Amino acid sequence: KAGVTQTPRYLIKTRGQQVTLSCSPISGHRSVSWYQQTPGQGLQFLFEYFSETQRNKGNFPGRFSGRQFSNSRSEMNVSTLELGDSALYLCASSPGTGANQPQHFGDGTRLSIL
Amino acid sequence: AQKITQTQPGMFVQEKEAVTLDCTYDTSDQSYGLFWYKQPSSGEMIFLIYQGSYDEQNATEGRYSLNFQKARKSANLVISASQLGDSAMYFCAMRERQDRTGNQFYFGTGTSLTVIP
Repeated sequence: KAGVTQTPRYLIKTRGQQVTLSCSPISGHRSVSWYQQTPGQGLQFLFEYFSETQRNKGNFPGRFSGRQFSNSRSEMNVSTLELGDSALYLCASSPGTGANQPQHFGDGTRLSIL
Repeated sequence: AQKITQTQPGMFVQEKEAVTLDCTYDTSDQSYGLFWYKQPSSGEMIFLIYQGSYDEQNATEGRYSLNFQKARKSANLVISASQLGDSAMYFCAMRERQDRTGNQFYFGTGTSLTVIP
């Protein structure tokens, strides 16, 4: 089975721009979560989608949004980029939302804001 | 309160020795899952091992084992016979039973493990 695929791998943007990151989960996985990872803040939960519905949302401003499509692929969007948005954005998928189901991660998108 | 606590920011271990990475968790649920992940410097997060709250035996996966002490709410990762390739960040995580508000994964702050030749 192919793993979780995130595109693009690297992205450079300037302040004020907006960006869309894409995540294709493992085939058959219906739950997709997004995380932001920075050296200072560690791994922070952004949101989780299951069957096209947002089930959980972390403590991030409304500039961060996401969606999930009927084929379980997910996108996250960040508008009005700020320098502090520079981070590694990780996507993870699992078959469902059971407590016994591990998340499997993609390689991440490294976003740099100039 | 933090859901997952990893108190060791950095650890060193001699090659071929065993090492224990500490993790404590906080939950009032009876049903939950505990997970460990490895993140090498390249950035990808690799799932290592899972322990269910109702599992009576400690989980093992090759050189990884999870020392699960439910009453103490601790889920320490033991790596036996350390190898240079084990140098990485290690994250402990928990997922509680799904309820109407959802059940996200909670991650600790991680422990950086360095294996010394």
